Amino acid sequence: AQSVTQLDSQVPVFEEAPVELRCNYSSSVSVYLFWYVQYPNQGLQLLLKYLSGSTLVKSINGFEAEFNKSQTSFHLRKPSVHISDTAEYFCAVCRANSGYALNFGKGTSLLVTP
Amino acid sequence: DADVTQTPRNRITKTGKRIMLECSQTKGHDRMYWYRQDPGLGLRLIYYSFDVKDINKGEISDGYSVSRQAQAKFSLSLESAIPNQTALYFCATSDPGTGGNGYTFGSGTRLTVV
Repeated sequence: AQSVTQLDSQVPVFEEAPVELRCNYSSSVSVYLFWYVQYPNQGLQLLLKYLSGSTLVKSINGFEAEFNKSQTSFHLRKPSVHISDTAEYFCAVCRANSGYALNFGKGTSLLVTP
Repeated sequence: DADVTQTPRNRITKTGKRIMLECSQTKGHDRMYWYRQDPGLGLRLIYYSFDVKDINKGEISDGYSVSRQAQAKFSLSLESAIPNQTALYFCATSDPGTGGNGYTFGSGTRLTVV
C-alpha cells in the first residue's frame, strides 16, 4: 500500500515570505508525484508534477517541488508568496499498477496575510 | 463545455433516499474515478473504472455503487444516503498513455444529507 503524509495541516505565512509545504510518501516502487491546488470554493487544479527526469519541477506561478527518492519526499516551495496563493494544497502519488488512481494527502491549508 | 461535467453541482437530500451523481467526459479517456473530499481528510477514492466492463473498488466503497454506462459516462449512486456521506464529490478521468499525467477533474458535486 502507499500513503501520502502532509506534515502540516495549516501554514500561516506573511505576504512576500518564503514557504515550504511538506509531503512524504511511502511506496516500494516508482511513483508519479503531484501537487494540486484548490482555491476557495473551486475545484482542483494541477500545480506541478514529477514523472521522471529532473528532480526539480516548477510551476508557472513560482512554485517548485523537488523529488527526493532517498527521503521519499516531494516538498513544495515558493520563495515569496502572495495573498492570492491562499488555498488548500494537496500532494498526491500514483502508480501504474493501481490503475493510475491518485492517492491524496490530507491537504495543507496555506493562509497568506498582509 | 467542460471536459468533465458533473451533475448536479449541489444537492440536498434526506436520509434514506437514493441519489445518483452523474459524470460525463469528452476527453475520450478510458479511466474514470470517483473521489470524495472531506475537510481535513483530503480526497479519498471511492471507485474507479478502466473501461465499461472493468469496475474496481477504491478505499471507501461501502455505501456506494457505480455504473459505467459508456466510455464517457460514470455514475455514482448512494442507495440509502446517510448524513456522514455529506461531502464534496469529484469525478476524474485519466489517460494512461501519459503516465498518470493526464488527470482531468470535474468541478465537483456538493452533497448534503439531512
